[in-house]
Amino acid sequence: QQQVKQSPQSLIVQKGGISIINCAYENTAFDYFPWYQQFPGKGPALLIAIRPDVSEKKEGRFTISFNKSAKQFSLHIMDSQPGDSATYFCAAEDGGATNKLIFGTGTLLAVQP
Amino acid sequence: ETGVTQSPTHLIKTRGQQVTLRCSSQSGHNTVSWYQQALGQGPQFIFQYYREEENGRGNFPPRFSGLQFPNYSSELNVNALELDDSALYLCASSSNRGVTDTQYFGPGTRLTVL
Repeated sequence: QQQVKQSPQSLIVQKGGISIINCAYENTAFDYFPWYQQFPGKGPALLIAIRPDVSEKKEGRFTISFNKSAKQFSLHIMDSQPGDSATYFCAAEDGGATNKLIFGTGTLLAVQP
Repeated sequence: ETGVTQSPTHLIKTRGQQVTLRCSSQSGHNTVSWYQQALGQGPQFIFQYYREEENGRGNFPPRFSGLQFPNYSSELNVNALELDDSALYLCASSSNRGVTDTQYFGPGTRLTVL
């Protein structure tokens, strides 16, 4: 119940295309859903985050779509660029006394020029 | 850059040894969480410190321990190292325990156990 399932494991997109990464969760106590971007040898960097009272959030080329009833959320990267090539992690926070993050397994995105 | 720093960058130890990793949190942040990231995996929560006390722990054995200091910097100690402890160790700082808040990650310490 504490898992966050992420797909696909890897993704190849052409420059200018749309990258879509999906995540699903079971625990309805989760109340905060961030996406992190990680480059090789670096720590994860927050990209965008959403709370379950909102169905969509957009920041620049990045959009989170959130479906509370289905317990699913996804990241859309519009106009994908080679510089977006990285590993993307979805995560969920349970909002308890310890605001620990439960991470998905990651998606390796390659944007081809 | 997040303002979270970690040291050392890389570390090589042998099985059975002990290791201490360090983290300086972002200015104004009083909560530090530690995560272990095995190769090709997402980070796994180890434990969290808030105002110098452990505030929650993941599924890690007692040989993983930590400290937080009055300036909110933190240490992660691992005793009796095992080969499976080889991973990237990440610390993340945030500003308020128990309140949903962005966690900012440092660059990590790459630990290799031989």
